[in-house]
Amino acid sequence: QVQLVQSGAEVKKPGASVKVSCKASGYTFTNYGITWVRQAPGQGLEWMGWISTYSTHRNYAQRLEGRVTMTTDTSTSTAYMELRSLRSDDTALYYCARGERQVGFDYWGQGTLVTVSS
Amino acid sequence: SYELTQPPSVSVSPGQTARITCSGDALPQQYAYWYQQKPGQAPVVVIYKDSERPSGIPERFSGSSSGTTVTLTISGVQAEDEADYYCQSADSSGTSWVFGTGTKVTVL
Repeated sequence: QVQLVQSGAEVKKPGASVKVSCKASGYTFTNYGITWVRQAPGQGLEWMGWISTYSTHRNYAQRLEGRVTMTTDTSTSTAYMELRSLRSDDTALYYCARGERQVGFDYWGQGTLVTVSS
Repeated sequence: SYELTQPPSVSVSPGQTARITCSGDALPQQYAYWYQQKPGQAPVVVIYKDSERPSGIPERFSGSSSGTTVTLTISGVQAEDEADYYCQSADSSGTSWVFGTGTKVTVL
């Protein structure tokens, strides 16, 4: 069965960086891209970006451009999302999801809570 | 930046029909997707490519598109359908995705 398992919760200070991992299993990793979505407490879903697992193509949300980097390691079927210069409003639950236009974001990780606090 | 607009809330009695709209200028050119999110859970796709239903999603969920508005329809609403629903699509360039503002469906 398709599974996306994310790394554990993180607590960071303002200005620091965080790197969240997302390990995929149950399907051919390079057949689908990976998207990252975050959700601040009590708020809606925010698309952060999408990375191809089969090319160098990636797109980031404009408001995060310059602070976010998404990468993949096909040898371990793992995707990573790094967010730098953290601020308090980056406190959120961060999700990875398998995603392609043909199916949407059809499988999601369990979410990783990132708390930014001094 | 591109935005998708949804009504904040929809209330419906069991067995009735709930309709949730999503408006955006690029919707005539880009596919829309719909996600259901229950408290404490990750979102689940219920409609993809405007009107396709993934396997395992009940037939009471359907999607349609007309101009700059897409609609998620839940026919014969059940108590278990109470959740937040988000539309999702891309901007006119197709390179930037966005989620709608979200709609809370309450089953009375």
